Amino acid sequence: QVQLVQSGVEVKKPGASVKVSCKAYGYTFTSYGISWVRQAPGQGLEWVGWINAYNDDTNYAQKLQDRVTMTTDTSTSTAYMELRSLRSDDSAVYYCARTTFYYDSSGHYPANLDYWGQGTLVTVSS
Amino acid sequence: DIQMTQSPSSLSASVGDRVTITCQASQDISNYLNWYQQKPGKTPKLLIYDASNLETGVPSRFSGSGSGTDFTFTISSLQPEDIATYYCQQYANLPITFGQGTRLEIK
Repeated sequence: QVQLVQSGVEVKKPGASVKVSCKAYGYTFTSYGISWVRQAPGQGLEWVGWINAYNDDTNYAQKLQDRVTMTTDTSTSTAYMELRSLRSDDSAVYYCARTTFYYDSSGHYPANLDYWGQGTLVTVSS
Repeated sequence: DIQMTQSPSSLSASVGDRVTITCQASQDISNYLNWYQQKPGKTPKLLIYDASNLETGVPSRFSGSGSGTDFTFTISSLQPEDIATYYCQQYANLPITFGQGTRLEIK
C-alpha cells in the first residue's frame, strides 16, 4: 500500500538549516509529485512547495523561495526538503504528501494531495 | 494568490445532524477544489477531490458541491468519529492555498 515515511524530530538553532526526508513506498515514484505542507502549532495548513518527481520541476511558496530547496532521489524513491536560515516562525510540523498533477501546454501543475507522511516536527529555538 | 475563505471557523453539532461548511475562493477556480479532514493529532486526509468526487474508501455521508467561487462540503449525518478540522484547498493557480479550517465539535 502507499506509504510515505518521514525522518524524525529536528531541533535547530536560528540561522541553521534542516533537511527533512520522505521515503515513498507502494507506488511508482516518478508518476507523482511530492508536496510539502507545514503546520505551526495550533494553526492551519500552509503549502511550502512541490517537486514533480517525473521531471524534477519545482515550485515554491514565494515567502520561502529564497530559503527552500526540494529534491528527489529516484533510486531510493525519496524526496527531500531543505530549509535554510531557520527562524523561530519556521517551527512547525512539516508534512510531505504524494501529489497528483495535471498538465497543459505550459507544464505540470500539482492537484490532489492524496497520501500524507506522518509529519516531522521542526523546532527552531536558541 | 487565491484566497480561500471558509465558514464557519468552528461548528458544534449533534450526532445525526446534517453539517454544512462553505468555502469561497477569491476568484474563479472552476472545480479545482479539494476537501481534507484532519483529526486531532493526526495527518490530513483527502476526502473530496475536484469539488465533488469522493475519494476511495471515504464514507458516502461526505459530499461536496460547487464550482466557480462557491463550494459546499456536507456531512449528511454526523458521526462521533467525524470530529476534526476540515480544510478546503484550491489548485487552480499556484501557489496552492488552503482555507483557514473549520473545527467541528460534537454538541
